[in-house]
Amino acid sequence: KQEVTQIPAALSVPEGENLVLNCSFTDSAIYNLQWFRQDPGKGLTSLLLIQSSQREQTSGRLNASLDKSSGRSTLYIAASQPGDSATYLCAVRHALSGYSTLTFGKGTMLLVSP
Amino acid sequence: EAQVTQNPRYLITVTGKKLTVTCSQNMNHEYMSWYRQDPGLGLRQIYYSMNVEVTDKGDVPEGYKVSRKEKRNFPLILESPSPNQTSLYFCASSFRDTPINSPLHFGNGTRLTVT
Repeated sequence: KQEVTQIPAALSVPEGENLVLNCSFTDSAIYNLQWFRQDPGKGLTSLLLIQSSQREQTSGRLNASLDKSSGRSTLYIAASQPGDSATYLCAVRHALSGYSTLTFGKGTMLLVSP
Repeated sequence: EAQVTQNPRYLITVTGKKLTVTCSQNMNHEYMSWYRQDPGLGLRQIYYSMNVEVTDKGDVPEGYKVSRKEKRNFPLILESPSPNQTSLYFCASSFRDTPINSPLHFGNGTRLTVT
């Protein structure tokens, strides 16, 4: 059974720092990995999607990497800002019963202080 | 604006009183799904649909029903709600033709309390 783990569960940094969020998964047979952001009381917003054949994706100050063979992904946030404060979730899409499904990690709660 | 719309945002009900949470998307997505989010347990899939009239169980389907009569709508039905179904519910959708590489779009959530 696919399991997704995110470390750390919570992270507090001062504004301007570069930071790395970690995501690991137990079964490397995935189709893709997606990083989401969730603000309190809101839904999830897709940040980056990395296909299984890719090594990384970049969007602005965000860079996500994928090492499928070792079951790991990292989300790098450069020059963090208070507006980056949110919970970040990773999810892997993998095969299940002839279709595909998404399994989520429990998230990393990030607080960026001014 | 492309979006997934859930209603209501908040719902308080009593045990056993049937309720429906609606979900609608305007992106012509084939794939739709329901999740519940609970502290310490993360997001768990309840049901999903690959297309009209095609639905299947996720990880935690007990106590829930869904239907997919139209492409844009995917309501979640609780026939006899119980307190353990108190949770934050999310609807999501994506394209199916290449579902493995189509980002998932989420609604803003429905916070349900069953007393």
